[in-house]
Amino acid sequence: KAGVTQTPRYLIKTRGQQVTLSCSPISGHRSVSWYQQTPGQGLQFLFEYFSETQRNKGNFPGRFSGRQFSNSRSEMNVSTLELGDSALYLCASSTAGGWQETQYFGPGTRLLVL
Amino acid sequence: GDSVTQMEGPVTLSEEAFLTINCTYTATGYPSLFWYVQYPGEGLQLLLKATKADDKGSNKGFEATYRKETTSFHLEKGSVQVSDSAVYFCALGSSGTYKYIFGTGTRLKVLA
Repeated sequence: KAGVTQTPRYLIKTRGQQVTLSCSPISGHRSVSWYQQTPGQGLQFLFEYFSETQRNKGNFPGRFSGRQFSNSRSEMNVSTLELGDSALYLCASSTAGGWQETQYFGPGTRLLVL
Repeated sequence: GDSVTQMEGPVTLSEEAFLTINCTYTATGYPSLFWYVQYPGEGLQLLLKATKADDKGSNKGFEATYRKETTSFHLEKGSVQVSDSAVYFCALGSSGTYKYIFGTGTRLKVLA
């Protein structure tokens, strides 16, 4: 099976712009979670989608949003970018998002905001 | 709320040394516990997991036992190799919130 893929791998944006990141989960996986990884804050949970519905949400401002399509692919959008949004954004998929399940991570999208 | 605390890094060891990375948790209900590893330039990958008390997870010479009495899930390896150099994350799957909670990560550097 192909692993979790994320596009693009690298992005450079300027403050005030918006960005959309894409994640394709492992075939058959219906849960997709997004995380922000920074050196200072570590891994922080953004949100989780299951069957096109947001099921869980972390403590991020409304500038961060996401969606999931019927084929389980997911996108996340960040509007009005700030310097502090520079981070590695990781997507992870699992079969149903259960708390005992293994999450399978993609390689991440590295976003640099100038 | 649920939380995970793991030892600060970096941890620097010589090849063939014994490794312990401490991880403790706070949770209501019956959490699952995981260790993930992140190699440079890559995403996280599962190293091992345990879903109930007294379970031992093991993989590639690494082991961790789910200790409910001490709320711990310490990672150990008897003899580390240079190729084990990476960042290790302890994580908790919450049965109450269905969220994953990660520790801050511990960077391990193994010297030849």
